[in-house]
Amino acid sequence: EDQVTQSPEALRLQEGESSSLNCSYTVSGLRGLFWYRQDPGKGPEFLFTLYSAGEEKEKERLKATLTKKESFLHITAPKPEDSATYLCAVQAGETSGSRLTFGEGTQLTVNP
Amino acid sequence: GAVVSQHPSRVICKSGTSVKIECRSLDFQATTMFWYRQFPKQSLMLMATSNEGSKATYEQGVEKDKFLINHASLTLSTLTVTSAHPEDSSFYICSARQGGLYEQYFGPGTRLTVT
Repeated sequence: EDQVTQSPEALRLQEGESSSLNCSYTVSGLRGLFWYRQDPGKGPEFLFTLYSAGEEKEKERLKATLTKKESFLHITAPKPEDSATYLCAVQAGETSGSRLTFGEGTQLTVNP
Repeated sequence: GAVVSQHPSRVICKSGTSVKIECRSLDFQATTMFWYRQFPKQSLMLMATSNEGSKATYEQGVEKDKFLINHASLTLSTLTVTSAHPEDSSFYICSARQGGLYEQYFGPGTRLTVT
């Protein structure tokens, strides 16, 4: 069974204080690992797709990396508007179809 | 690009009535659409997967006669909650995927309250 575990559950940072969120996964045949951002009362917003170990992607203050067992979302010099829940999801091999398996998310709060 | 809309954003209905939620992909053709349910402070729970022109595939434990899904075109899927009960109150979110790509793009969600 595919499993995704995110840590920490919640993270409080001061504005400008860089940190990383972790997503550990166990899947049979990874097709892709996805990062989403979700604001309260809204649907998830797509951030990144990573396909293979060693891959990295960046967008503004966010950088996502992938190994064979986990992914990190690095947040550099965060701002209060980066406060949100960050979700990690994986899409596995043929038997899983096109479904995503989500982690429970990391709730990030950035204080001014 | 990759915009998905949902309508309505909020709906209140009485117990025993049915309510329909629409999900549209605005700028791409969605060969596959997904319906999720999300409870407060929890992650997304997949309810069903639908491919255009085919019957939806429901996840274990999801009543297909209660949650009717129709994916009649490449840009529109609907979820109808039949004979709604207060326990059906939740945040329902759809997503859409373009054929050949892995990413799912999500709608803004619909808050359903059954009184």
